[in-house]
Amino acid sequence: ETGVTQSPTHLIKTRGQQVTLRCSSQSGHNTVSWYQQALGQGPQFIFQYYREEENGRGNFPPRFSGLQFPNYSSELNVNALELDDSALYLCASSETRNTEAFFGQGTRLTVV
Amino acid sequence: GNSVTQMEGPVTLSEEAFLTINCTYTATGYPSLFWYVQYPGEGLQLLLKATKADDKGSNKGFEATYRKETTSFHLEKGSVQVSDSAVYFCALEVGGGGNKLTFGTGTQLKVEL
Repeated sequence: ETGVTQSPTHLIKTRGQQVTLRCSSQSGHNTVSWYQQALGQGPQFIFQYYREEENGRGNFPPRFSGLQFPNYSSELNVNALELDDSALYLCASSETRNTEAFFGQGTRLTVV
Repeated sequence: GNSVTQMEGPVTLSEEAFLTINCTYTATGYPSLFWYVQYPGEGLQLLLKATKADDKGSNKGFEATYRKETTSFHLEKGSVQVSDSAVYFCALEVGGGGNKLTFGTGTQLKVEL
């Protein structure tokens, strides 16, 4: 059984650009949650997808958007990147909406 | 709103010392409480959880008791090992099973020989 995998592991983008981060959920899981972890801070909930529909959103602007595919993998898209978007982005999958989250290793995004 | 406050780190201990990492919370509603651990270069792992008042979560020698009267969920371990060196996060969720979490800022633990 494979765990949660995220790609890429690191990337560098320029302010104003757009970025897409990817997450493959653990086998048998239909729910994916995304978190942003700034350096030295705890993760902050961005949003959750359940069976391809958004199922809750944290306090993030609309330029943070997501998608979940029929195989339950997911993408996080960030438009008009800002320097403060530099962070570790964590994906977590769950068997369903109200069960334990299993985290991937994250994607380190640096905006310059 | 919901928030979690943890003691600041880093916490540096000698091997076999007693560990306490304090965590207090504010929540609108009745939260479930969690401790996560993040080892260097790895993702977050659930260490233990408690879903109602006076419950004690435990795992790998770590324990935490849900104290509603003091809104606290302090993490303890009787004898730490070098392999326990990591960042520990306290978290809560109201009305869910643990996948829309509010985290504290984390406490780094360093255990030395």
